[in-house]
Amino acid sequence: DGGITQSPKYLFRKEGQNVTLSCEQNLNHDAMYWYRQDPGQGLRLIYYSQIVNDFQKGDIAEGYSVSREKKESFPLTVTSAQKNPTAFYLCASSTSGDSYNEQFFGPGTRLTVL
Amino acid sequence: QQPVQSPQAVILREGEDAVINCSSSKALYSVHWYRQKHGEAPVFLMILLKGGEQKGHEKISASFNEKKQQSSLYLTASQLSYSGTYFCGTGRGGVNNDMRFGAGTRLTVKP
Repeated sequence: DGGITQSPKYLFRKEGQNVTLSCEQNLNHDAMYWYRQDPGQGLRLIYYSQIVNDFQKGDIAEGYSVSREKKESFPLTVTSAQKNPTAFYLCASSTSGDSYNEQFFGPGTRLTVL
Repeated sequence: QQPVQSPQAVILREGEDAVINCSSSKALYSVHWYRQKHGEAPVFLMILLKGGEQKGHEKISASFNEKKQQSSLYLTASQLSYSGTYFCGTGRGGVNNDMRFGAGTRLTVKP
């Protein structure tokens, strides 16, 4: 079955540590996205990528980094520079980066900083 | 730049109808609607594009008023499975990267 997988489902981090969240898709989609979701708020775009080896900052990219070395993979690193990283992180993909196509979301990773 | 959704929450009995609204201060090219169950990933419901084109769910309807920069999602004869948080995403251009999501409307359907 095609879909998006994210791992781990739950992640605990000590302050000052970098952590990497995994996102893999087997839908053959060109575009991939990372969102952060906080309680009572909508989805805020962290980074997006429309093709391999290219990615762009979203609204809240500070303290995060990404790579897109393969079409199916778009890992997100939460660095120690991110001041308040505790949140629910969602990865998504779409056929292409235009508004005609819906986004397919992964199950999410809940990150907690201890 | 985030769209504003209303109401923030609504409680229904099975079989009742609901309308969820989404408005933006910017000119819109597209509106996406998604539903999220607690702790799960958002699921696509519908896309509405400038010019009237739609793509989406058979049992859910929506409108897009380009002039007023608003969209409404209509849930008729609600079922228990309709419970969840509904998000609208609004795009000002042709690419998803320009999309902004509202804070969500929590819908609860009771027996």
